[in-house]
Amino acid sequence: EVQLVASGGDLVQPGGSLRLSCAASGFTYSNYNMNWVRQAPGKGLEWVSYISTSSSTIYYADSVQGRFTISRDNAKNSLYLQMNSLRDEDTAVYYCAKSGSGSYRIDSWGRGTLVTVSS
Amino acid sequence: DIQMTQSPSTLSASVGDRVTITCRASQSISSWLAWYQQKPGKAPKLLIYKASSLESGVPSRFSGSGSGTEFTLSISSLQPDDFATYYCQQYKSYSPEAFGQGTKVEIK
Repeated sequence: EVQLVASGGDLVQPGGSLRLSCAASGFTYSNYNMNWVRQAPGKGLEWVSYISTSSSTIYYADSVQGRFTISRDNAKNSLYLQMNSLRDEDTAVYYCAKSGSGSYRIDSWGRGTLVTVSS
Repeated sequence: DIQMTQSPSTLSASVGDRVTITCRASQSISSWLAWYQQKPGKAPKLLIYKASSLESGVPSRFSGSGSGTEFTLSISSLQPDDFATYYCQQYKSYSPEAFGQGTKVEIK
């Protein structure tokens, strides 16, 4: 069974930094592209970032470009999101999500971790 | 970037009703479309992929259709467990706006 467990969410002041982690299990992690998707309170889903299996292809939403960095460690079955210069509008539940083989389609989601940016 | 427009934003229906949700893409995405169900406080769950393929374990009352730019998700006979928010997602290419705005299905 695919399991994606995100952690690292917290209350942080505007301008601060936070690093999210996602521990993956139940599948051959190195074979699948991965994603971070966020959902602001009461709002819809925003595809924040995507990383390919070998980290050779990475995408970011314009709203986080230059502030967030996605990375992965295939030896540790882990996905990360380094978030710098945080803004109020980054407040959201952040989901770690697995794509299907060779696809952008998201087929499995973790439980999510809450990031609150507030002074 | 490809943008998705979903309608309606809210749908009121009764148990046993047939409901239909529409999703439109700003350009052709062939059949690269998925539908998800999300319940409050939970992660989304994949229902349909490639526009009309039912994910394993999803009840057959859910169905998807369409190609190009127009897609629909139908629930043939609404059950109490189906009251939730539904999202479409294009996966032809990466786009921050890949998801529709969501359709909340609520009890009439």
